[in-house]
Amino acid sequence: QKEVEQNSGPLSVPEGAIASLNCTYSDRGSQSFFWYRQYSGKSPELIMFIYSNGDKEDGRFTAQLNKASQYVSLLIRDSQPSDSATYLCAVLPDMRFGAGTRLTVKP
Amino acid sequence: EAGVAQSPRYKIIEKRQSVAFWCNPISGHATLYWYQQILGQGPKLLIQFQNNGVVDDSQLPKDRFSAERLKGVDSTLKIQPAKLEDSAVYLCASSTMDDPRNEQFFGPGTRLTVL
Repeated sequence: QKEVEQNSGPLSVPEGAIASLNCTYSDRGSQSFFWYRQYSGKSPELIMFIYSNGDKEDGRFTAQLNKASQYVSLLIRDSQPSDSATYLCAVLPDMRFGAGTRLTVKP
Repeated sequence: EAGVAQSPRYKIIEKRQSVAFWCNPISGHATLYWYQQILGQGPKLLIQFQNNGVVDDSQLPKDRFSAERLKGVDSTLKIQPAKLEDSAVYLCASSTMDDPRNEQFFGPGTRLTVL
């Protein structure tokens, strides 16, 4: 059974801090990895995509991938209250989502 | 650019009834997905279409769920008969084959309640 695991949280960080979100996957054949943000009552939206080992930075977001450890993470620097949402990890080739980690950024 | 359209937005039915959901993807997007998202869980892929062909329906409960994408544009997802455990948000998403990121654009979803 292919699994994508995330800590459901909630994860609470103060405004301006770094939020660290983690995801592990079981299928070694996984090729590409996505982080989606989902606000309460809304649909998911893509915020990061990574397919090579190492770090990928986009503004305040950094995705980190370690295929040997089957681990992908998302760092959010200078967290803002508007970052409060559920963050979903998704894995190709079969677009399997984790259950999501709920992040709360407190002013 | 218009986004992914879905209807209805909300539906309440009794168990054993039938229900259908409609999705219109972003113009030009060849790939269309249907997901089921149960409260507190991540989206679960039910079926993926490429144009009007099925790419993956391995997680579609085929005894009660069916989907079609005639002419490679709009799609409908049907549940017949519905069970209590089908209560969820049904999300439609689309993507273009030209995007190396395979970014999926999601519609607003249809919230189904089965009583």
